[in-house]
Amino acid sequence: GENVEQHPSTLSVQEGDSAVIKCTYSDSASNYFPWYKQELGKRPQLIIDIRSNVGEKKDQRIAVTLNKTAKHFSLHITETQPEDSAVYFCAARRQSNYQLIWGAGTKLIIKP
Amino acid sequence: SQTIHQWPATLVQPVGSPLSLECTVEGTSNPNLYWYRQAAGRGLQLLFYSVGIGQISSEVPQNLSASRPQDRQFILSSKKLLLSDSGFYLCAWSSLDEQFFGPGTRLTVL
Repeated sequence: GENVEQHPSTLSVQEGDSAVIKCTYSDSASNYFPWYKQELGKRPQLIIDIRSNVGEKKDQRIAVTLNKTAKHFSLHITETQPEDSAVYFCAARRQSNYQLIWGAGTKLIIKP
Repeated sequence: SQTIHQWPATLVQPVGSPLSLECTVEGTSNPNLYWYRQAAGRGLQLLFYSVGIGQISSEVPQNLSASRPQDRQFILSSKKLLLSDSGFYLCAWSSLDEQFFGPGTRLTVL
């Protein structure tokens, strides 16, 4: 079946440095790729998404890149801040029923 | 604007007891509705989704069931809880692309 692999499972970076989280997907027909941020004890919230007709999308310190040929997409956070500490989930939309297939999550730790 | 409600926020139940969690959405019509479970420190496991009243699809076979008696109401139930049912239960809705999550119910089965 379709799956999404997400790496790394934990990422620790110094405040001010950049963080990159990578995901690969198996369904070549997937056309929508969101990223969610979940703070401890809270609900996941969408931070950025990208559709398959676009290679890159940026929103202030956050960017997402998509390589359809290689079937992978990445989240880039620049100038990291303490409030960026959270678990980040990637997902790919399944074409057969439009449901999201989720990655396992990355715990991002920003060291002061 | 759209809002999503879940209750209760926390719940402690003994093994073998029944369960009913409720989710309601306001400000939208005919949403797709989802129930997820998240074990401590783990990812999001899709349990059920619904594209309309009375239409329920199950992703994972287990002792849970879901119902959608009204367009904007989604209920998660169990007749007999297991220890492994403990977790953070999240309801979500979507219309097009983005899924919006409710505040969640933290369930502890003792």
